[in-house]
Amino acid sequence: QPVLTQPPSSSASLGESARITCILSSDINVGNYRIYWYQQKPGSPPRYLLYYYSDSDKGQGSGVPSRFSGSKDVSANTGILLISGLQSEDEADYYCVVWPSNILFGGGTKLTVL
Amino acid sequence: EVQLLESAGGLVQPGGSLRLSCAASGFIFSDCAMTWVRQAPGKGLEWVSAISGSGSSTYYADSVKGRFTISRDNSKKTLFLQMNSLSAQDTATYYCAKLPGIEVAVSPFDDWGQGTLVTVSS
Repeated sequence: QPVLTQPPSSSASLGESARITCILSSDINVGNYRIYWYQQKPGSPPRYLLYYYSDSDKGQGSGVPSRFSGSKDVSANTGILLISGLQSEDEADYYCVVWPSNILFGGGTKLTVL
Repeated sequence: EVQLLESAGGLVQPGGSLRLSCAASGFIFSDCAMTWVRQAPGKGLEWVSAISGSGSSTYYADSVKGRFTISRDNSKKTLFLQMNSLSAQDTATYYCAKLPGIEVAVSPFDDWGQGTLVTVSS
């Protein structure tokens, strides 16, 4: 059964960059899938941020700043969300999603902005 | 502006049933596949079910297959989730969300409702 593994928590300083990883289980190859990322703040529904497949196939959600970006580490079978120029309002939970057959959510990463 | 408004959830006894609805506005409802995603208290997101714009194709997570039924009434711009044989493990906030295309295809859930809490307890 495919699984997406995210670190439960991450932290980075205001103005710096944060890198959130999403490790795909060995039965699904990150190179074959779009990785979707969502942000959720307490008491609010999730918000679609972006997807990344390749540098030529990626997309940003409506109104999502360009300091949110995606990438992959194919050697580590991992999707990556990079947030540059961290702001206090970026403190939230972040979820990755992949569609191998059914729709899979990662467990989520709580990002703390120091 | 896209709006998705879930009906009130509530408290249900184990083994009971509940039907959720999601009223949509601000877009051509029949042109968009829809989905339900849930979140147990303090936990992460879990995909539940999805349905194509026409309603002809439906999909379910293994955890709810055979117990939950997704449907839609395009004339009323409303999405439904019939939940039967509920257990404590189904306790969660249920969100409806919209996909950008008519089919349930690899795409983002680009708009979400505010969610409705379903509690299964005796």
